[in-house]
Amino acid sequence: GESVGLHLPTLSVQEGDNSIINCAYSNSASDYFIWYKQESGKGPQFIIDIRSNMDKRQGQRVTVLLNKTVKHLSLQIAATQPGDSAVYFCALKGNTDKLIFGTGTRLQVFP
Amino acid sequence: DGGITQSPKYLFRKEGQNVTLSCEQNLNHDAMYWYRQDPGQGLRLIYYSQIVNDFQKGDIAEGYSVSREKKESFPLTVTSAQKNPTAFYLCASSIWGNNQPQHFGDGTRLSIL
Repeated sequence: GESVGLHLPTLSVQEGDNSIINCAYSNSASDYFIWYKQESGKGPQFIIDIRSNMDKRQGQRVTVLLNKTVKHLSLQIAATQPGDSAVYFCALKGNTDKLIFGTGTRLQVFP
Repeated sequence: DGGITQSPKYLFRKEGQNVTLSCEQNLNHDAMYWYRQDPGQGLRLIYYSQIVNDFQKGDIAEGYSVSREKKESFPLTVTSAQKNPTAFYLCASSIWGNNQPQHFGDGTRLSIL
């Protein structure tokens, strides 16, 4: 079946450093990908999305990279701040047009 | 502000009891969704609705029911048939169509007494 996996359950970074969070997926037909941020006790917050006709997209302090050859997606956060501490997970559109979600990476930012 | 409102934030269920979780959106989105979130797992789809008066089962619909009488509202009932209901329930909405992000409410945490 379709699957989405993150490479690390937890990522610890120092404030001011760049963070990279990764996702691997199995369905080569996936054409839409989303990154969400979830703070404790809250719902997921949309960060950025990318379509399969692109390999890079930038937002404010965030960049999403898509490598369709190896079916890999990454989220880069520049100059990580304490407010970036949260669980980040990717989602992608599967065969049935419904979203499939990864399990998440917890980002911890220390001073 | 436009958004998705879920209530209550915390809910307790007794054995054999049905409980209903509320979800309201003012984003004028056609599509609405219910997900269940358990520790260490990705979100799992319970039910979704593309349009008023129509809804479809997701991957884990057993023990749950929904209605979609109004565009703004998509309540979820957790029935007594759901034997493991303790979880964080998330409602989302989106524009229906290819490649549209889903936007989420802040969830309802359901526990068993």
